[in-house]
Amino acid sequence: EVQLVESGGGLVQPGGSLRLSCVGSGFSFSSYWMSWVRQAPGKGLEWVANIKEDGSDKYYVDSLKGRFTISRDNAKNSLYLQLNSLRAEDTAVYYCAGFWPPVTGYALTIWGQGTMVTVSS
Amino acid sequence: QAVLTQPASLSASPGASASLTCTLRSDIDVDTSRIYWYQQKPGSPLQYLLNYKSDSDKRQGSGVPSRFSGSKDASANAGILLISGLQSEDEADYYCMMWHKTSYVVFGGGTKLTVL
Repeated sequence: EVQLVESGGGLVQPGGSLRLSCVGSGFSFSSYWMSWVRQAPGKGLEWVANIKEDGSDKYYVDSLKGRFTISRDNAKNSLYLQLNSLRAEDTAVYYCAGFWPPVTGYALTIWGQGTMVTVSS
Repeated sequence: QAVLTQPASLSASPGASASLTCTLRSDIDVDTSRIYWYQQKPGSPLQYLLNYKSDSDKRQGSGVPSRFSGSKDASANAGILLISGLQSEDEADYYCMMWHKTSYVVFGGGTKLTVL
């Protein structure tokens, strides 16, 4: 079964840090570009970052550049998102998603269930 | 102005067709753009539905029924997701997406489709 499972979310104080993880199974993780997408409560989807299959290129939404860092470990079929200097407006469900350009084009075809991050004192 | 704009909600009757629009910012030409569509239901992972650039350049997501199709309205500078033969299970939030400036992803605000 093709699957992405996120973890690492929780309650954190403003200014704090958190590291989210996403483990893939049932597909060739190392061939896929991976993304993080977030959704604030009651709001729409917001793309956060992409990372190339080998980790050589990373892209971020301008508003988050410098505070969030995407990374991956293909040996562990894992994707990460380091969240620093967290603010209340970062409260959201964070989803990981993947795509394989040669096969699926640039559609995010695999999605996880998400992990909730709450930033509050 | 947002890159992609979707109406917040839409209602349609079972068996009817629903046309969900995704309007591109005026400086982005829909004719040369590829629009992706996703479905979100509570408790389920987001599902990729399809992408559409033209009638000769489109792709359906794996296992997605042919009742879901894409098109464009050039006069409105908009992408369209058409759902025919609406079923109660189609009630969900729908998001359009595009790649902007090659390497950045943008989502529309989403449309909540009610089937009643």
